[in-house]
Amino acid sequence: EVQLLESGGGLVQPGGSLRLSCVVSGFTLTSYAMTWVRQAPGKGLEWVSSISSSGTGTYYADSVKGRFTISRDTSRNTLYLQMNSLRAEDTAVYFCARAAAVDYWGQGTLVTVSS
Amino acid sequence: DIQMTQSPSSLSASVGDRVTITCRASQVISNYLAWYQQKPGKVPKLLIYAASTLQSGVPSRFSGSGSGTDFTLTISSLQPEDVATYYCQKYNSAPLTFGGGTTVEIK
Repeated sequence: EVQLLESGGGLVQPGGSLRLSCVVSGFTLTSYAMTWVRQAPGKGLEWVSSISSSGTGTYYADSVKGRFTISRDTSRNTLYLQMNSLRAEDTAVYFCARAAAVDYWGQGTLVTVSS
Repeated sequence: DIQMTQSPSSLSASVGDRVTITCRASQVISNYLAWYQQKPGKVPKLLIYAASTLQSGVPSRFSGSGSGTDFTLTISSLQPEDVATYYCQKYNSAPLTFGGGTTVEIK
């Protein structure tokens, strides 16, 4: 059974950092591209970042480029999103997702950026 | 970057009605188009990928069509459980942009 479980969300002050983790099971990270999608309260879906199945390609939305870093540890079956220089507009539920046309989603982890 | 424009932003229809949602890409994306359904408080669900391929387990009243820049999601007979927001997404190359969403309600 495919499962994705995010963690690491929470309340952080503007300018702060957080690292989100997504532990996957039922498939291997080397077989699929992986994606982070976020959804601000009451708003639509926003693609944040993706990493290729080989791990060599990483891609970012302009809104997070230079501040966020996507990575993975295949030995731990874990996808990461390092978020630095956080802003109020980064407040959202962050979903870990499998593939580019996302067929499996995690439950999401809430990131709140506020003083 | 390619923009994805959905219309309408919301609609209200009766049970049994045929419902059509459109998604337009600002440049050609071939058939790299997915549709998702998100019910209130829930995680999005993949309905259709490759513009017209129904994801396993999705009811056959959902269908997708189009290629290039213009795409359509159709619900052939609207059911109460279809109340949700629907999103299109391009996935041919980054950025994997989502449309703004279409909220479907029952009249």
